[in-house]
Amino acid sequence: NAGVTQTPKFQVLKTGQSMTLQCAQDMNHEYMSWYRQDPGMGLRLIHYSVGAGITDQGEVPNGYNVSRSTTEDFPLRLLSAAPSQTSVYFCASSSLRGTAKNIQYFGAGTRLSVL
Amino acid sequence: AQKITQTQPGMFVQEKEAVTLDCTYDTSDPSYGLFWYKQPSSGEMIFLIYQGSYDQQNATEGRYSLNFQKARKSANLVISASQLGDSAMYFCAMREGRPGYALNFGKGTSLLVTP
Repeated sequence: NAGVTQTPKFQVLKTGQSMTLQCAQDMNHEYMSWYRQDPGMGLRLIHYSVGAGITDQGEVPNGYNVSRSTTEDFPLRLLSAAPSQTSVYFCASSSLRGTAKNIQYFGAGTRLSVL
Repeated sequence: AQKITQTQPGMFVQEKEAVTLDCTYDTSDPSYGLFWYKQPSSGEMIFLIYQGSYDQQNATEGRYSLNFQKARKSANLVISASQLGDSAMYFCAMREGRPGYALNFGKGTSLLVTP
């Protein structure tokens, strides 16, 4: 059971560089989201998607882009990395069908440092 | 305004004792879900337990139970018979409205279980 897979696990960028954090899930979940976790801040929502072709902004979307061309994949793009984007990034997915629980399952996280 | 409040930054408990981690929430939506996640030092987010706003009984999952007091807007996590492996960060989260809405997380409580 792969669940939610994030790559890479670690990344160091220089200010101004761009990169894409990958997220894939094999549970046929409609809902996918990206969070960032900073010390003492809990997790904050960046972007989310309720299905292929549909994305929306969360609490802290500035500096990030997303797209959802397939059910399985939900990449997060940093257009021009800034030191303020140094964080741990989590991808999560959940089903929108069936029980009302709709538990969100998380990937292992990507630890990003921007120098 | 903070939607999820966890007032205990850190907690200690002795092995085999029970411990309660506090969580209060703020919402005017009659339909919501409350979640607890565990984050060990390895960093992954592990789902522990769920409580729906319309659930009549408190949720239980093995050694975890959720003390749901709707009028007080509290959703405390109770861990019975603590084990050394329970040492971790614990996050309370809320989803307002129907599935497809994002989770709002608290800032977490660090639990240390001592021998």
